[in-house]
Amino acid sequence: DTEVTQTPKHLVMGMTNKKSLKCEQHMGHRAMYWYKQKAKKPPELMFVYSYEKLSINESVPSRFSPECPNSSLLNLHLHALQPEDSALYLCASTLTVPGSSGEQFFGPGTRLTVL
Amino acid sequence: KQEVTQIPAALSVPEGENLVLNCSFTDSAIYNLQWFRQDPGKGLTSLLLIQSSQREQTSGRLNASLDKSSGRSTLYIAASQPGDSATYLCAVGGGGNTPLVFGKGTRLSVIA
Repeated sequence: DTEVTQTPKHLVMGMTNKKSLKCEQHMGHRAMYWYKQKAKKPPELMFVYSYEKLSINESVPSRFSPECPNSSLLNLHLHALQPEDSALYLCASTLTVPGSSGEQFFGPGTRLTVL
Repeated sequence: KQEVTQIPAALSVPEGENLVLNCSFTDSAIYNLQWFRQDPGKGLTSLLLIQSSQREQTSGRLNASLDKSSGRSTLYIAASQPGDSATYLCAVGGGGNTPLVFGKGTRLSVIA
């Protein structure tokens, strides 16, 4: 199994809703990432988890709350979002064993629309 | 801080042409470099990965080269087809759990 899966594919939510994005991989990767991508822009890093611990938070607003409950699963909890948070949210993972290629594998993304 | 630049920002070519996309980075201490393809509204498709010790990688009509000392990589697409139309992103990796640093991409249109 060499893929990263993300659910849901599409999500529409109001500014008062609470929702969660889910990312899963079964490649034994111990680094997992959330990126946010606006239209016609490159992906921007949000969070990095290394061995289930948050290692990088790129000054993301607290209305985004990441969680890594185990080595295969990464969640992004959403609460009180703003319309400008509408974007494609991408999850990625990589193997961090010394000598590995370091290739990052990306999921298909969740298209989020905030009304 | 690593910065990645891609030139040109957009490119339109007739079908059948060979073309080159350029990527440059400011810090040569990289672990690897990845080229991705992205179709409108879709996720990233990994095309080629070049590790820092390698000079080039090939997959079908695609060839990517890396000159780490000069901070440059090129993606060569042979005999372009309309199906190659997409945005191509270059990203530099620092190894370990460091995140990728992306260029802004090149939007390619191949005209039939």
